[in-house]
Amino acid sequence: AQTVTQSQPEMSVQEAETVTLSCTYDTSESDYYLFWYKQPPSRQMILVIRQEAYKQQNATENRFSVNFQKAAKSFSLKISDSQLGDAAMYFCAYLAGTASKLTFGTGTRLQVTL
Amino acid sequence: EAGVAQSPRYKIIEKRQSVAFWCNPISGHATLYWYQQILGQGPKLLIQFQNNGVVDDSQLPKDRFSAERLKGVDSTLKIQPAKLEDSAVYLCASSLDRGVLGQTFFGQGTRLTVV
Repeated sequence: AQTVTQSQPEMSVQEAETVTLSCTYDTSESDYYLFWYKQPPSRQMILVIRQEAYKQQNATENRFSVNFQKAAKSFSLKISDSQLGDAAMYFCAYLAGTASKLTFGTGTRLQVTL
Repeated sequence: EAGVAQSPRYKIIEKRQSVAFWCNPISGHATLYWYQQILGQGPKLLIQFQNNGVVDDSQLPKDRFSAERLKGVDSTLKIQPAKLEDSAVYLCASSLDRGVLGQTFFGQGTRLTVV
């Protein structure tokens, strides 16, 4: 069974600084996808970034980028130039290529301070 | 485009009572999911529909939970009778098709409190 582990229950970053959220996963599949979702207090899960396992190049979306280490089964999210609006719960998620249900980690609560 | 709509936003019931949640997915989305998110945990899939057929309900507690998707559009999730441990946020999500190529869109969820 696939598992997703987020070992940081809470993180804090100052506005305009950079923060990295960690995620590791376990799978025996070779074809899979990884995601970072943001969940603000409104509870709606919002896709931040995704990575296809077959791609060596790390995904980037504006201030958000990932460090995908396939051999280590590690998938960290880097947020640059942090903004107050980045404060939320962040969930790492896994999707096997043959499936369509997401497996989520336990989340990391990110606080952004002035 | 309109997002995934869910109602109600909040519900408080006593244990052993019944409750139902409603979801209207994005128009044209064939796949619909119900996730349960217990406080401090990530969402866990309860049931997945492809059109009006069930694809995966392996983690649905079938003795008390039921779900249906009428005509492959709206869906309802019911709990009868509710237990204290059912207190959670129930998220509905939809995608154009199974999984990745179509992004999965989430609703704002229903927060259920069982007292």
